[in-house]
Amino acid sequence: DAGVIQSPRHEVTEMGQEVTLRCKPISGHDYLFWYRQTMMRGLELLIYFNNNVPIDDSGMPEDRFSAKMPNASFSTLKIQPSEPRDSAVYFCASSFARGSSYYGYTFGSGTRLTVV
Amino acid sequence: SQKIEQNSEALNIQEGKTATLTCNYTNYSPAYLQWYRQDPGRGPVFLLLIRENEKEKRKERLKVTFDTTLKQSLFHITASQPADSATYLCALSDDKIIFGKGTRLHILP
Repeated sequence: DAGVIQSPRHEVTEMGQEVTLRCKPISGHDYLFWYRQTMMRGLELLIYFNNNVPIDDSGMPEDRFSAKMPNASFSTLKIQPSEPRDSAVYFCASSFARGSSYYGYTFGSGTRLTVV
Repeated sequence: SQKIEQNSEALNIQEGKTATLTCNYTNYSPAYLQWYRQDPGRGPVFLLLIRENEKEKRKERLKVTFDTTLKQSLFHITASQPADSATYLCALSDDKIIFGKGTRLHILP
């Protein structure tokens, strides 16, 4: 397996533009998570899905942020309109839960977003 | 609110010695505690998971302890090597994972 695949690797955009980040989780994993990482705040959970259904989006900072998971192999995180304070590294992670046991998350390499 | 504390200052350890990192938490009763390694420009990589009813877990040169009374986990790397230099993140998990900000570890040759 190629692991969790995120694209693009880097994104530079102007303030006000729409940004779409993409994620392909590991096949067979039934949980998918979107995190944002900054020096100040560390890794913050934005939203997570279980079996393609959004479970908790309380970490999504504003209505400008939205996430979808149309099928088990693809998810998007969209920011519209983007602002300079959205600049961060965005990670997608997936995991496989067996009953009551949880295993670690597998993270993608992240998308470094810069909004100028 | 839930809070996870890791030493924000970098930890410098001489090669061959044991490195010990600390993770403290408040206002949380996690079912699991996890440790991850993160290298610059990369995503975190899962290392170990320990459950609330386990006191200690080992994997090769790594050892994790979990004290739910003290609300603390210790992460040990024995016989440390320069390749162990990275940022180590503590994460508390129930149905989702909340991460600490991590501690940078430098193993000096």
